[in-house]
Amino acid sequence: DSGVTQTPKHLITATGQRVTLRCSPRSGDLSVYWYQQSLDQGLQFLIQYYNGEERAKGNILERFSAQQFPDLHSELNLSSLELGDSALYFCASSVVGQGVNTEAFFGQGTRLTVV
Amino acid sequence: GENVEQHPSTLSVQEGDSAVIKCTYSDSASNYFPWYKQELGKRPQLIIDIRSNVGEKKDQRIAVTLNKTAKHFSLHITETQPEDSAVYFCAATNTGFQKLVFGTGTRLLVSP
Repeated sequence: DSGVTQTPKHLITATGQRVTLRCSPRSGDLSVYWYQQSLDQGLQFLIQYYNGEERAKGNILERFSAQQFPDLHSELNLSSLELGDSALYFCASSVVGQGVNTEAFFGQGTRLTVV
Repeated sequence: GENVEQHPSTLSVQEGDSAVIKCTYSDSASNYFPWYKQELGKRPQLIIDIRSNVGEKKDQRIAVTLNKTAKHFSLHITETQPEDSAVYFCAATNTGFQKLVFGTGTRLLVSP
């Protein structure tokens, strides 16, 4: 158990719909990352939040948005879903310190299937 | 921004052989290079990492080397075992851990 919790584990929805994926980071971790992994593909960086603020952005679609709340949990919102959005969505968290990088721990992922 | 390339995409070895996976990065500001192992349907898990102030790090059968001048780093697995079969990802990031960027992954298959 990495200490990073993602819900739900599985999600099946129809095209055009909107879903919200939730991530609770490890206790003490201020930074949250979201990744998309399509079938047999790599980990595509979507977005990073640090202590409530957006810190870095990857190739995240305009239909996707995220936020990090005061309690540090994060949500990834996916709207106007398309078949191609079907993927495994991972959240990771890490401690970010001045000049020190530490391990990023991954959650178990949310498998999204768009039908 | 950072770009990480990883080779090979697939690697098949016999049990007991060594396996080497190579990555190159583009951003000279990157100074932290973790390697993750992902088994089918599971989350990526860190197996070893290296920081830019060292050139090599070992942990039992696993080692990582870093060449800052050439901007490449490699994962070495010795005495491979069937349970080493998985997808391995390299990654790079800078101080402040902004935008942890992953390579495209290497599928390692270790045959008994």
